[in-house]
Amino acid sequence: AQSVAQPEDQVNVAEGNPLTVKCTYSVSGNPYLFWYVQYPNRGLQFLLKYITGDNLVKGSYGFEAEFNKSQTSFHLKKPSALVSDSALYFCAVRDSMNYGGATNKLIFGTGTLLAVQP
Amino acid sequence: SQTIHQWPATLVQPVGSPLSLECTVEGTSNPNLYWYRQAAGRGLQLLFYSVGIGQISSEVPQNLSASRPQDRQFILSSKKLLLSDSGFYLCAWSAGRSYEQYFGPGTRLTVT
Repeated sequence: AQSVAQPEDQVNVAEGNPLTVKCTYSVSGNPYLFWYVQYPNRGLQFLLKYITGDNLVKGSYGFEAEFNKSQTSFHLKKPSALVSDSALYFCAVRDSMNYGGATNKLIFGTGTLLAVQP
Repeated sequence: SQTIHQWPATLVQPVGSPLSLECTVEGTSNPNLYWYRQAAGRGLQLLFYSVGIGQISSEVPQNLSASRPQDRQFILSSKKLLLSDSGFYLCAWSAGRSYEQYFGPGTRLTVT
């Protein structure tokens, strides 16, 4: 079965320190992976994606993610955290079990709350 | 550029009343459209998706229904709301081979 796991409900980091939000996946075939951020009472905002190519993907707001095929992971990273990065982060994988892939359905993780302390 | 709108932003409805939430997308043609519900500020549950006008797929059996009367309009409805229908409803769209979905601002529904 296809799935995405975010093993940490919450990550705490001090402002200025590097941050990592973990994500592992299980899919059939090549994974298409995504990260989203959600601020309180807002919709999800797309941060970045991995489809193919370089394992290090750069996205919005200084975030990047590293695709690791052998570990089936796609961890979100940022070299220096800001208080304004505090939000709920979702990892997602494209559901490849669709005929022709026309639906572009995504399977989301349960989310990780990032808290950056000043 | 593409934009997605949802309204209303917040809604308080009594149990047993009808519901209609609307989502519209601008700046793209023939998008895939999705309705999600987010309960307790966490996990997302895909409710419906649509790949074209009049084409609706339901992901879970429930008290809700969806319709797509126009290419860029997606409506979520209920004839009689239940307390369990409370939540944050998100509409999203995707198109072509970019695969990512783009979300609207959401509707906070409270059923009392």
